[in-house]
Amino acid sequence: QKEVEQDPGPLSVPEGAIVSLNCTYSNSAFQYFMWYRQYSRKGPELLMYTYSSGNKEDGRFTAQVDKSSKYISLFIRDSQPSDSATYLCAKRGNNRLAFGKGNQVVVIP
Amino acid sequence: EAQVTQNPRYLITVTGKKLTVTCSQNMNHEYMSWYRQDPGLGLRQIYYSMNVEVTDKGDVPEGYKVSRKEKRNFPLILESPSPNQTSLYFCASSFWQSTEAFFGQGTRLTVV
Repeated sequence: QKEVEQDPGPLSVPEGAIVSLNCTYSNSAFQYFMWYRQYSRKGPELLMYTYSSGNKEDGRFTAQVDKSSKYISLFIRDSQPSDSATYLCAKRGNNRLAFGKGNQVVVIP
Repeated sequence: EAQVTQNPRYLITVTGKKLTVTCSQNMNHEYMSWYRQDPGLGLRQIYYSMNVEVTDKGDVPEGYKVSRKEKRNFPLILESPSPNQTSLYFCASSFWQSTEAFFGQGTRLTVV
C-alpha cells in the first residue's frame, strides 16, 4: 500500500470557486503533512505544511489534517487563474519524503 | 541565490549509452533525493541520501545508481538506459527532517 494516496484526476473550476483536494495516508508514524504546488515545466514548491490534526490557514489556502480518518485536505477559496497548477500532497517520515500522484487544477476565467 | 541546479535540462539518448545527470545545491542541505515523474504515477523516489557517503534506495531504484562524495552534489547515473526510463527527473534537497524540500528545474530524458 502506498504511503500517500491521491486520486490523480484533473479538476476544472470557474474563477472564484472553492477548490477541494484530498489525500489519504496509511502510516500513522508520519507526522508532517505538506502540500506542494507545481506549475507547468517547473519543479514542485512547498505551499503549506501542517503538523497535527486541525486546520492551518494561509490567505486563501487552508490545509486540514484528520488523523482519526487519515485524511489530508487542501481548500482554495476564491480561486484565481494563477492557481492553475498541479497540487501534490506529501508526508515526511521514516527518512523519506513521499508524494501523492497530484491533482491538476485548472481555474477558468 | 539558494537553488538546486540540474544538468542537462533536456537529453535524448540511445538505449545502452551510459549517462549522468548532475545535481548541485548551495544550501548546505544534508538530505538529497532523486525523483522521476510520469503521467498518472506522480513523483516516485529513486534514491535518497541523508549525508555524504550515505545513500539508500527509494521506491524505484532499479536501473539507477547514485553517489554522494560531496555534500553539495548528488549525481544520478544510468549505466545502461532503456526506453522505460524515459521520464521527467527531479533532484531535491532539504535539511534533515525539514518540511520544505527544494527542487531543481527538472531533466527531461528520452531514451530511444
